[in-house]
Amino acid sequence: NAGVTQTPKFQVLKTGQSMTLQCAQDMNHNSMYWYRQDPGMGLRLIYYSASEGTTDKGEVPNGYNVSRLNKREFSLRLESAAPSQTSVYFCASRRGANTEAFFGQGTRLTVV
Amino acid sequence: SQQGEEDPQALSIQEGENATMNCSYKTSINNLQWYRQNSGRGLVHLILIRSNEREKHSGRLRVTLDTSKKSSSLLITASRAADTASYFCATDDSGTYKYIFGTGTRLKVLA
Repeated sequence: NAGVTQTPKFQVLKTGQSMTLQCAQDMNHNSMYWYRQDPGMGLRLIYYSASEGTTDKGEVPNGYNVSRLNKREFSLRLESAAPSQTSVYFCASRRGANTEAFFGQGTRLTVV
Repeated sequence: SQQGEEDPQALSIQEGENATMNCSYKTSINNLQWYRQNSGRGLVHLILIRSNEREKHSGRLRVTLDTSKKSSSLLITASRAADTASYFCATDDSGTYKYIFGTGTRLKVLA
């Protein structure tokens, strides 16, 4: 049982490049989330999807877009990467509100 | 701004001592959850306390919740070096599926 799988694990981008971070869960969870974590900081919510077919902005959505491709997959896209987006990105999923979340191992993104 | 603010930001104790960390939040909640993160890895769920509960135990963990003060505390008793990690509280933003984390407490347990 893989849980939440994120790809890639590491990525270096040049300023202005675009990329998509992939996230898939195999727990039949309804809700999925993208967070970023800067060094020594907490997690900040970028976007979330309460259920298949819906997405909503979190605390720091600027510069990002998301797609809930199906119930399993939730991708995060950086259209034009900036050095300020250098961070560790975590995907999480959970059955629904008021339940525990399960996290992927993170994607370490560096924008130079 | 963060839904949850935690203090202290960092805590260093000797093995065997108790560690207490606090979380404050801003909105009405149905429950509050605590997570642990080892060195930049994914977070792992520790315990959930519902808004109608005041205290909950799980092994060496004790969580309290004071909804009138919008605060929670996590106590780790008889700490071990392996408890060294960052600890975060998380809450569901009232009426939405937003799931917001606090700023975290970095705990270091010295052997």
